[in-house]
Formats: sequence, structure tokens, C-alpha cells
Amino acid sequence: DAGVIQSPRHEVTEMGQEVTLRCKPISGHNSLFWYRQTMMRGLELLIYFNNNVPIDDSGMPEDRFSAKMPNASFSTLKIQPSEPRDSAVYFCASSLAATNEKLFFGSGTQLSVL
Amino acid sequence: QKEVEQDPGPLSVPEGAIVSLNCTYSNSAFQYFMWYRQYSRKGPELLMYTYSSGNKEDGRFTAQVDKSSKYISLFIRDSQPSDSATYLCANDMRFGAGTRLTVKP
Repeated sequence: DAGVIQSPRHEVTEMGQEVTLRCKPISGHNSLFWYRQTMMRGLELLIYFNNNVPIDDSGMPEDRFSAKMPNASFSTLKIQPSEPRDSAVYFCASSLAATNEKLFFGSGTQLSVL
Repeated sequence: QKEVEQDPGPLSVPEGAIVSLNCTYSNSAFQYFMWYRQYSRKGPELLMYTYSSGNKEDGRFTAQVDKSSKYISLFIRDSQPSDSATYLCANDMRFGAGTRLTVKP
């Protein structure tokens, strides 16, 4: 299995631009998670889906952030408009179930907003 | 208060030392506990997965859960330079801050 695949690996953009991060979970996994990692705040859960349905988006910082999962093999995290404080590493993870399950992480997207 | 609290370190030890990493958690409903290891510029990977109180051993690694004090620990015996990484404790989908460990040859 190829594991969780994220793209792009690196993204550099200017403040105000729209950013779209992509994720392909492991085939057969029913849950997908988006995390953001910074030195100051560690690994924060932004949102998770179970069977393509958003279950908990309480970690999404503000309305500029949105996430979708149109099918079992694809998810996007969009930031519009982007701000310098959004600079972080964004990870996608998948698991067999939503709770108490082992998470498998992608390699992350390093986002820099100038 | 974060649901999972972890001292971010950093922690530096000589090769061969025993390493102790610790976390506390606040929600008594937590039943499953995990330790993840994250190398630089990589995503976290699952290292240990435990349920209920007690110890679980896997090679040089031992995970310990004390539900009475809401305390979870990871011990690394005979630490190696290749163990240098950030170690994150987790419950369910919530993570501690991670402890950065360096094992010096």
C-alpha cells in the first residue's frame, strides 16, 4: 500500500491567495483527519471525517478554512484568503475507524504564506 | 487545559541510556493510548498502542499507563542515536506537544 498521499509537499504563496491542500487516504480506511503542526501549538486536530461526512470541525481556526471529502479516496483542505499566521505543516491522516484507532499519517504539506 | 499534556523538552541523553517520556491526560473516559514517533520532516508514525492500565513491551520500548493518576509513560532501553526524534503521546485523535529526544553517540 502506498500509504496516505499528500500534495503538494511544499507550498509558498502570498498573503490573500487561495491555498488548496490535497490528501488521498489509505484504501479501505473509513476516517480521515486533517492536522496542523507548529512549534508553538504542536499537532492540532482541525477536522475529521467518518465515511466522507465531517464529524467534528471544532478545530478549524476560522471561516477562512474549509475541508471537503467528496469521496472515500480524496479530501481537500482549503484556505481562502491565506494569511502569514497560517504558515505551518499540514498533515492528513487516515484510520479504519474514527475513534481509538491507529492513525496513519502522510508526509505533510509545508505551507509558507508570505 | 489541553486534553493531553506533555513536556516538550528537549531531552538529550548519551547512547545506551534509559529514556523516560511522560504525559498526563485530563479526560477519565480515555481508554486507548498511543505513542507516535516523528522524525524530522516526516509525518508521525505509530510506535506503541495500549489499552487499559499496565505495561506493554515491544523490544526496547515499554509503554505504561496509570489510569488512577492519568499518567502515561514511554521507556526506551539501551537508547540509540537512531531513536533521536520527537515522541508524541496521544489519546484517540488528540496529541500532546511532543518531546524532542536526542541520543548522542
